[in-house]
Amino acid sequence: QVHLQESGPGLVKPSETLSLNCAVSDDSITTNWFSWVRQPPGKGLEWIGEIFHDGTTHYNASLRSRVSISMDTSENQVFLRLNSVNAADTAVFYCARHRTGSNTFDSWGQGTLVIVSS
Amino acid sequence: QSALTQPASVSGSSGQSITISCTGTSSDFRDYRSVSWFQQHPGKSPKLLIFDVSRRPSAISYRFSGSISGNTASLTISGLQPGDEADYYCCSYRIITTPLYVFGTGTKVTVL
Repeated sequence: QVHLQESGPGLVKPSETLSLNCAVSDDSITTNWFSWVRQPPGKGLEWIGEIFHDGTTHYNASLRSRVSISMDTSENQVFLRLNSVNAADTAVFYCARHRTGSNTFDSWGQGTLVIVSS
Repeated sequence: QSALTQPASVSGSSGQSITISCTGTSSDFRDYRSVSWFQQHPGKSPKLLIFDVSRRPSAISYRFSGSISGNTASLTISGLQPGDEADYYCCSYRIITTPLYVFGTGTKVTVL
C-alpha cells in the first residue's frame, strides 16, 4: 500500500509562491501518473494537474499560467508550485496517485492546508 | 470550468438504498468508461469507491455500485450504514477538454 505525504508551508502571503512536496513511499513514482488536487475549506475538489515520470505534464487550464508540477524520481518526490497566490487559493492540497490502467486516483495523501493571508 | 452536477444532499434510513446522480455534458462523458466515485469523511482525504463506471477496488464493499446512462452517472449505496454518512464526489476524465479531470459538486449523505 503506497503512502503519500504532503508537506510545505501552511501560510503563504498574497502574490507569493506556494510550494509543496509529496513524498511517495514506493517506486510507483516511476510507473504511475501523479496529480495534485485541491479543496477550498467547505467546498469541492478541483484537479490542478498531473505528471508522469518522463516529465510529461498536463494542467488545469484555469491555473496553467501559474502552476508547475515536477518530480524527482531519485528522491521519490512530486512537487507543486503555484505562483501569484491570492486568498482564493486557500485550500487543502492533496497529492494523489493514478490507478494503473484507469483514469482515476487510487491513493491520496492526507492533505495539507495552505492559507493565503498577509 | 463547470463541475459535474450532483444533488447537494441525499438521506436514507439504515438498511435502505440510495442513489446519487452525477450529471454532465456530452464532453464530460465522452470517455464514458472513465467515471469514478469517491467517499470523503470530514477531515479525511477522499477514498476511491468506484472506477471505470462500475468497478470496485478489492477492499470496497459490494454495497457500493456504479452505473451510467447518457450524460448521467449514478452511485448506489445499498444497505445504508451509519459509517456511510460522508460526502461523495463523482469524477470524470474528459480525454481532450481541459481540465482533464472534473469533479462533481459533491453530495452529503445523511443516515437517518
